[in-house]
Amino acid sequence: KAGVTQTPRYLIKTRGQQVTLSCSPISGHRSVSWYQQTPGQGLQFLFEYFSETQRNKGNFPGRFSGRQFSNSRSEMNVSTLELGDSALYLCASSPGLNNQPQHFGDGTRLSIL
Amino acid sequence: AQSVTQPDIHITVSEGASLELRCNYSYGATPYLFWYVQSPGQGLQLLLKYFSGDTLVQGIKGFEAEFKRSQSSFNLRKPSVHWSDAAEYFCAVRNQAGTALIFGKGTTLSVSS
Repeated sequence: KAGVTQTPRYLIKTRGQQVTLSCSPISGHRSVSWYQQTPGQGLQFLFEYFSETQRNKGNFPGRFSGRQFSNSRSEMNVSTLELGDSALYLCASSPGLNNQPQHFGDGTRLSIL
Repeated sequence: AQSVTQPDIHITVSEGASLELRCNYSYGATPYLFWYVQSPGQGLQLLLKYFSGDTLVQGIKGFEAEFKRSQSSFNLRKPSVHWSDAAEYFCAVRNQAGTALIFGKGTTLSVSS
């Protein structure tokens, strides 16, 4: 069974641009969550989607948004990029809701110049 | 507020020696606890989880963890460390809404020969 797939693996952008990251969950998994990992703040929850609906959102500005499609694939978008958005963005999927283990992809490394 | 503390930022262990990584959590109810491992350039791999029942849980790669409610701890152990265990280890607790993981800052494990 294929794991969580994130594309692209690496991205370089400049300040003010926007970026879209993609995540394909494990087949049959319907919940997708996104996390930001930085050396200073560690791993922080961005948002979770289930059945195309955002169920929960972390403490991030509105520049960070996401969506989920009917096939459970998810995208996250960051607009008006700032230097501080440089991070590893991790996607995790789980079969359903509430306390089921999350399985992570290898992440997208976003660098802002 | 829920939180996870990993007191040790970096630990060095000799190959073949035993390992214990500490994790303390702050949570009002019965916690759902996890240990993940992250190798450089990779995502997070689930080592083990605790939901309920037996307080000693077995995971992959020879790891185990013991849940101690009285100490609010969920320490990870391995009887004999291999060089391939060198990585960063994260302890996490599911938030009260059951929608996100709250991570500790991680412990980097180095293995010396």
